[in-house]
Amino acid sequence: EADIYQTPRYLVIGTGKKITLECSQTMGHDKMYWYQQDPGMELHLIHYSYGVNSTEKGDLSSESTVSRIRTEHFPLTLESARPSHTSQYLCASSEKPSPDTQYFGPGTRLTVL
Amino acid sequence: AQKVTQAQTEISVVEKEDVTLDCVYETRDTTYYLFWYKQPPSGELVFLIRRNSFDEQNEISGRYSWNFQKSTSSFNFTITASQVVDSAVYFCALSGRSGTYKYIFGTGTRLKVLA
Repeated sequence: EADIYQTPRYLVIGTGKKITLECSQTMGHDKMYWYQQDPGMELHLIHYSYGVNSTEKGDLSSESTVSRIRTEHFPLTLESARPSHTSQYLCASSEKPSPDTQYFGPGTRLTVL
Repeated sequence: AQKVTQAQTEISVVEKEDVTLDCVYETRDTTYYLFWYKQPPSGELVFLIRRNSFDEQNEISGRYSWNFQKSTSSFNFTITASQVVDSAVYFCALSGRSGTYKYIFGTGTRLKVLA
């Protein structure tokens, strides 16, 4: 089982602010993912990475960006937050090779006023 | 194309009742993987089980059991003697080569267990 950490757990912020959601895992997993989920709704993949310096956009278009400079760290950034970004953001990781089980962090609940 | 259908949006049961959550999938892959996750009110997704397409044996883990039937493309999840702590949203997911092994999630089933 993976140990995945997300900070902050809850964030309330005003429109136009730049925010970074942190995600770290301690298992040395190569693959990492970001999902967006409205409360009680299905999960949508917005970004993923198969290793350092590798990032791809997911199935749901997102205005956020990600980076993968270190294996254990996969931050997500919103340059200018808007109310439409209000959602829960879940980070996950898994080992190579495919197929693999994804292990999820506790999530960040973002509210943009 | 791959698809996962969880037709039950919400189920309510009384504590100690048995409950089955349905999951129907579509895929053209011959090798694929199915998963169940639990999402309690706290928000994190908790991994419950992974099953590959070559293994149709049913599995039991305590009060949880899973019934995988390739003939009907179903991977149903049964909770026996439900408890209030089982209240959560449960997601079924599919992973296969045609989707580059990214997860395809169902829309989830909200289970409410009443005391």
